[in-house]
Amino acid sequence: GNSVTQMEGPVTLSEEAFLTINCTYTATGYPSLFWYVQYPGEGLQLLLKATKADDKGSNKGFEATYRKETTSFHLEKGSVQVSDSAVYFCALSPPGGTASKLTFGTGTRLQVTL
Amino acid sequence: SQTIHQWPATLVQPVGSPLSLECTVEGTSNPNLYWYRQAAGRGLQLLFYSVGIGQISSEVPQNLSASRPQDRQFILSSKKLLLSDSGFYLCACWGRGTEAFFGQGTRLTVV
Repeated sequence: GNSVTQMEGPVTLSEEAFLTINCTYTATGYPSLFWYVQYPGEGLQLLLKATKADDKGSNKGFEATYRKETTSFHLEKGSVQVSDSAVYFCALSPPGGTASKLTFGTGTRLQVTL
Repeated sequence: SQTIHQWPATLVQPVGSPLSLECTVEGTSNPNLYWYRQAAGRGLQLLFYSVGIGQISSEVPQNLSASRPQDRQFILSSKKLLLSDSGFYLCACWGRGTEAFFGQGTRLTVV
């Protein structure tokens, strides 16, 4: 079946540091890939997505590139801010899929300090 | 765009009491609707999904049930809560777009 593996957290960084959160997946065909962010006490918000190989999703300074050859979708940001502190979830859905088949990773907590 | 309303935001209930969590959706029609649970420090587990009024699919056997009485209303219920039902419950909607939208969640603590 489909699965998503994320790096264990928490990740603690100083403000303006470079961020990488690793995400790899197992799926058949060409799934769509997502990063969701969950701020404290809130629901999930879509951060970015990519729907085909070599696509780069980007939003709010975050980027992730869909790498079919390494089955990866790592999240990066060049300079993190305290306001980026949150839990980040990598997820996939199969082609033409719906959230019923949306598979999530376990989430990675990011803490950014001054 | 789609907006999902969930209430209540927080709930503390004794073991053995009933539960009803409500989710309503605006900005789309005939959406697929989902209930997820997030246990403390863990990922998201899909509990139920619905592709239409009265149509409910259960992903895992449990103490909970779901109903969809209207196109844009999705309800999560229990007749008798267990301690293990504690968690953060999220309603999600997948409409005509290519991604799911989530509500703000309900934090349930069973004591």
